[in-house]
Amino acid sequence: DTGVSQNPRHKITKRGQNVTFRCDPISEHNRLYWYRQTLGQGPEFLTYFQNEAQLEKSRLLSDRFSAERPKGSFSTLEIQRTEQGDSAMYLCASSSTGEGSYNEQFFGPGTRLTVL
Amino acid sequence: AQKVTQAQTEISVVEKEDVTLDCVYETRDTTYYLFWYKQPPSGELVFLIRRNSFDEQNEISGRYSWNFQKSTSSFNFTITASQVVDSAVYFCALSEADRGSTLGRLYFGRGTQLTVWP
Repeated sequence: DTGVSQNPRHKITKRGQNVTFRCDPISEHNRLYWYRQTLGQGPEFLTYFQNEAQLEKSRLLSDRFSAERPKGSFSTLEIQRTEQGDSAMYLCASSSTGEGSYNEQFFGPGTRLTVL
Repeated sequence: AQKVTQAQTEISVVEKEDVTLDCVYETRDTTYYLFWYKQPPSGELVFLIRRNSFDEQNEISGRYSWNFQKSTSSFNFTITASQVVDSAVYFCALSEADRGSTLGRLYFGRGTQLTVWP
């Protein structure tokens, strides 16, 4: 399977705990994106990387959130001191900046976070 | 302000009817890209189509067609002869060319829930 994969698919945690999600992009894609989606809404941008460089962060990404892509391949998104408002689906996408690519982003299945 | 507006929250049709999903966008960039994604009940977003701001040709792919009109800032999506399997949430999205040719985030609309009844 050469699609975007995300782990875990579901995470239930108690308020105040830290959680970490992983995303493995399509292997030849150099860009990786994180979005958050709540019920009844479209995905909202959080941050994105080109190779290992984090190029943009949304204001939605508070100090409790940190994302890394240390070797330009997989990425992790960590949420510290989770709050109930963090409950959402966290989506990862990847794209290529190669010739003929126009930012088509391909999404993974998402990680559903529930904070109790 | 919303960059992408999908005014239709829910649409219900009976199988074999044609249905059009509306999308209106807002941008100051002269170069931008528009997308449609499908999110079936399984939850995974599926890329359907991308349109460049400099190409206003409409496109048809099987039962799907897209009407891009810069004059009205609209990028509407029509499904002809709808089928039950078309039931999903459909999202329109915009990507802007900021600081040159670097395209980054997608701005999504709130989505339109399409239900096709047998």
